[in-house]
Amino acid sequence: DGGITQSPKYLFRKEGQNVTLSCEQNLNHDAMYWYRQDPGQGLRLIYYSQIVNDFQKGDIAEGYSVSREKKESFPLTVTSAQKNPTAFYLCASSDRGSGANVLTFGAGSRLTVL
Amino acid sequence: AQKVTQAQTEISVVEKEDVTLDCVYETRDTTYYLFWYKQPPSGELVFLIRRNSFDEQNEISGRYSWNFQKSTSSFNFTITASQVVDSAVYFCALSGYAGGTSYGKLTFGQGTILTVHP
Repeated sequence: DGGITQSPKYLFRKEGQNVTLSCEQNLNHDAMYWYRQDPGQGLRLIYYSQIVNDFQKGDIAEGYSVSREKKESFPLTVTSAQKNPTAFYLCASSDRGSGANVLTFGAGSRLTVL
Repeated sequence: AQKVTQAQTEISVVEKEDVTLDCVYETRDTTYYLFWYKQPPSGELVFLIRRNSFDEQNEISGRYSWNFQKSTSSFNFTITASQVVDSAVYFCALSGYAGGTSYGKLTFGQGTILTVHP
């Protein structure tokens, strides 16, 4: 079955460490996204990529970095510059055309900073 | 700027009750899309519906129905005869025109936690 795989599901990090969250999709979607979810705040867009080797900052990109070297992969690095990284991170993808803004989501990665 | 408000933080009902989740939005776009997503305890958001700003027809899908009123900038979601399996967090979201650069950039509401008790 096609879908989005995020790993790890749970991740613990010490302050000052960078961590990378993996996101892989086999839906052949062009666009991929990273959203952050905090309790009571909904989802906020971190970064998005509409084509390979190109990506754009979302609303809360500070302290994060991404790469898009392959169509199916869009890893997110949470750097030590992110002041409050503890959150639930959701990766999503969408196809171009009429369904372009219908997002398919992964199951998420929960990051806790100790 | 776009904004989505879900004023109900938590709703608790007993099975078989009807429940309506409210969603109010703000946008300056003339073409836009509205969405509802469901997030069960597993964490993965599940797409429920997308409506564009030119289609104000109400929609029904089984026990789910949606009421889009452009005059009041609302897109409310009703579950009829609720079931325990409906317990989840429900998000309303808004995006601009899909053909432009804003596709996929959804603005989400804060979410409404629905608990259906047996």
